[in-house]
Amino acid sequence: AQKVTQAQTEISVVEKEDVTLDCVYETRDTTYYLFWYKQPPSGELVFLIRRNSFDEQNEISGRYSWNFQKSTSSFNFTITASQVVDSAVYFCALINYGQNFVFGPGTRLSVLP
Amino acid sequence: GAGVSQSPSNKVTEKGKDVELRCDPISGHTALYWYRQSLGQGLEFLIYFQGNSAPDKSGLPSDRFSAERTGGSVSTLTIQRTQQEDSAVYLCASRPADSPLRNGYTFGSGTRLTVV
Repeated sequence: AQKVTQAQTEISVVEKEDVTLDCVYETRDTTYYLFWYKQPPSGELVFLIRRNSFDEQNEISGRYSWNFQKSTSSFNFTITASQVVDSAVYFCALINYGQNFVFGPGTRLSVLP
Repeated sequence: GAGVSQSPSNKVTEKGKDVELRCDPISGHTALYWYRQSLGQGLEFLIYFQGNSAPDKSGLPSDRFSAERTGGSVSTLTIQRTQQEDSAVYLCASRPADSPLRNGYTFGSGTRLTVV
């Protein structure tokens, strides 16, 4: 069975602080992909990043960075110098071949001015 | 259009009535998914269509829920005899056929269903 856990239900930070959203996953498959999605108040899910199970190289995109560690089955997401527009619910998701997405419960991030 | 389109964006219905939710995927995307997001909850898989194959209905919560996809494009999710616990945002997503795991899925904005 596959499972994605996002232990942080809600996080509040003050603008310009750094914040890390945790994601821990479970799967028996050796080939799988991990995703992060952002859901702003408008409701639409916005794709942020995908990672395949064979690529543990960390990635940075502007203020966003991702830390993938297979040894701990974690795929954490860090926002540097957070902004009010980062306020949203963030979902971590897992998929392997032939399966649909398994989403984590989401972490609601509030960035206060 | 450029994205996945869902209609209506909001629907309020009385308990016991039937509702139909529509999803227009991105043109050429062969795979289409329906998810449900209850208030404050994560995303729950409902059903998956892939080309002409039989759909994966394993996530449908009861036989009051059904979905079809006509001509491999537009999909309709039908909820019969709605109950208050059906209140949620219903999200549709599509993806192209080639190497699905390499591609991010594109989600629509959802239909917010409220059963009163």
